[in-house]
Amino acid sequence: GQQLNQSPQSMFIQEGEDVSMNCTSSSIFNTWLWYKQDPGEGPVLLIALYKAGELTSNGRLTAQFGITRKDSFLNISASIPSDVGIYFCAGQLLSPAGDMRFGAGTRLTVKP
Amino acid sequence: GAGVSQSPSNKVTEKGKDVELRCDPISGHTALYWYRQSLGQGLEFLIYFQGNSAPDKSGLPSDRFSAERTGGSVSTLTIQRTQQEDSAVYLCASSAFDSFEQYFGPGTRLTVT
Repeated sequence: GQQLNQSPQSMFIQEGEDVSMNCTSSSIFNTWLWYKQDPGEGPVLLIALYKAGELTSNGRLTAQFGITRKDSFLNISASIPSDVGIYFCAGQLLSPAGDMRFGAGTRLTVKP
Repeated sequence: GAGVSQSPSNKVTEKGKDVELRCDPISGHTALYWYRQSLGQGLEFLIYFQGNSAPDKSGLPSDRFSAERTGGSVSTLTIQRTQQEDSAVYLCASSAFDSFEQYFGPGTRLTVT
């Protein structure tokens, strides 16, 4: 089963608001990734994190790799309608190779 | 550039029939993954190929599921004797050697009636 706990499950926000979502686990991860999935499409990679404590930005997105290696968060600033979608966290376990685990997703709705 | 492609985009089949789903990874990517996504759910890992190594089949839910990867490129996921609970979107992803950044295809939506 999944080892990542992603929250919140869904968010309804007003355009312009900031958003924060996170993933936690009891396992230590080597890499954290954040994806966005639009309806009818595959997930698209947003940000990849490789070091504990790393803070990375991609435009209005900011993500951090927790210092304990067991959590990560994603922030979206000044949300816009096209931010609507499902956001997934994904973590690569220390071993075995190829074992990527995904969170259940956060469904984001942005009201204009 | 060309991304990961999957075919067909949609497949409707009768219970008990076999289906084959195809994935063309990004050229040069050595790793290929198959996932299953049920409606409104996260991604369930099925199988992982890395180069010529033996695949990691630990996520396959039953022996009705199998996958091949020919020539280190194209992969086919086969589901035999389909059941209604197999209905889901099947996603394929690929990544470069030594990279954990997976790039996904658009998925195949499978409906078993």
